[in-house]
Amino acid sequence: AQSVTQLDSQVPVFEEAPVELRCNYSSSVSVYLFWYVQYPNQGLQLLLKYLSGSTLVESINGFEAEFNKSQTSFHLRKPSVHISDTAEYFCAVSDGGSQGNLIFGKGTKLSVKP
Amino acid sequence: DADVTQTPRNRITKTGKRIMLECSQTKGHDRMYWYRQDPGLGLRLIYYSFDVKDINKGEISDGYSVSRQAQAKFSLSLESAIPNQTALYFCATSDLGKSEQYFGPGTRLTVT
Repeated sequence: AQSVTQLDSQVPVFEEAPVELRCNYSSSVSVYLFWYVQYPNQGLQLLLKYLSGSTLVESINGFEAEFNKSQTSFHLRKPSVHISDTAEYFCAVSDGGSQGNLIFGKGTKLSVKP
Repeated sequence: DADVTQTPRNRITKTGKRIMLECSQTKGHDRMYWYRQDPGLGLRLIYYSFDVKDINKGEISDGYSVSRQAQAKFSLSLESAIPNQTALYFCATSDLGKSEQYFGPGTRLTVT
């Protein structure tokens, strides 16, 4: 069965610093990869996704993630974070098969301090 | 208006009570899902439905049941609530052939 590992449960950073949230998955077959963000007291929002093509994908608010097949990773990065980026971030994987259900990591809480 | 809505948003109930959480969507998606979120555990799938006549158990279905009343409505029931079902519950939808899911705002359930 597939699994997703988010290596850090909490990441504290200062405003304008760079950040990397790490995600590794277990499957060796073709996968679809996602990052979701959950702001306090809200539901999950899709941040970005990798389905195929370019291994570097970007979101509209400055985050990017790179699919690395050899390392089975899909780390999320931002070169300069804002206070408003404080949230919990979830990595998810799907094998895209007939069921195509998502398997979620346990989440990383990003705390941006002034 | 939100595409995926959940009612109620917050609920406190007592052990042994029956409770229903409701989810509605206007996205026109065929697939609907129920998850629970617990601190440090991420999201775990309870049930999912690919259409009105196709309902499947997820990772943690024990103690829960579901009903797909229409394409747009998917309800989760706890027949006899217990304290360890205290959690944040999310409904989600996805379109046929696509993996990305769209989430409702969540229902915070407390069982005392």
